[in-house]
Amino acid sequence: QSVLTQPPSVSGAPGQRVTISCTGSSSNIGAGYDVHWYQQLPGTAPKLLISGNSNRPSGVPDRFSGSKSGTSASLAITGLQAEDEADYYCQSYDSSLSGYWVFGGGTKLTVL
Amino acid sequence: QLQLQESGPGLVKPSETLSLTCTVSGGSISSRGYYWGWIRQPPGKGLEWIGNIYYSGSAYYNPSLKSRVTISVDTSMNQFSLKLSSVTAADTAVYYCARLGCSTSCYFYYYYYMDVWGKGTTVTVSS
Repeated sequence: QSVLTQPPSVSGAPGQRVTISCTGSSSNIGAGYDVHWYQQLPGTAPKLLISGNSNRPSGVPDRFSGSKSGTSASLAITGLQAEDEADYYCQSYDSSLSGYWVFGGGTKLTVL
Repeated sequence: QLQLQESGPGLVKPSETLSLTCTVSGGSISSRGYYWGWIRQPPGKGLEWIGNIYYSGSAYYNPSLKSRVTISVDTSMNQFSLKLSSVTAADTAVYYCARLGCSTSCYFYYYYYMDVWGKGTTVTVSS
């Protein structure tokens, strides 16, 4: 069971907008630690999609956006395209125990 | 362009030690402001952080693996390595190495995130 909770799956038709939630607690997102998002296309390594809650690295389309509020964060994808079909992971830092980097369980995005 | 490449045995016997190396090319592992990390992904499952190391040798480990994990760095070879002892079938996974960078508040190690990933290497634990 992951420290950060994501829905196992979301889906949307091409052109639509989808959001993926990432729910944490007072020892991670709620403590003010940044949330980062990664995209993992089938059979490939994860790739950084959003850093520091809402920053897009160079080369990431502006269709992808991130936000954070309280103990949760969200990834929004607008103008959904077939090539967006992938697994998406949120990641933050948790101060419990001796402190450690944590990932969400991942969300499978299906483009209908 | 920075590239990371994992290498090591693809098959390890139960109770033995898993050893992997990540070779960094296109940049120096001694560059200030970056950590170097290991992440794994069991078949069909999500990502699990294993640990990070700075070029100076200071390391952070996942508490659930800490008793079995050692991460080390060899700046002369531009490599860093992972050793996981007493492996079981539960350690079967794709192992990724990654660079951790930051954009703001870089003084604090917990603001770092995985900005460059290797392609991953599959390790199976089986007799």
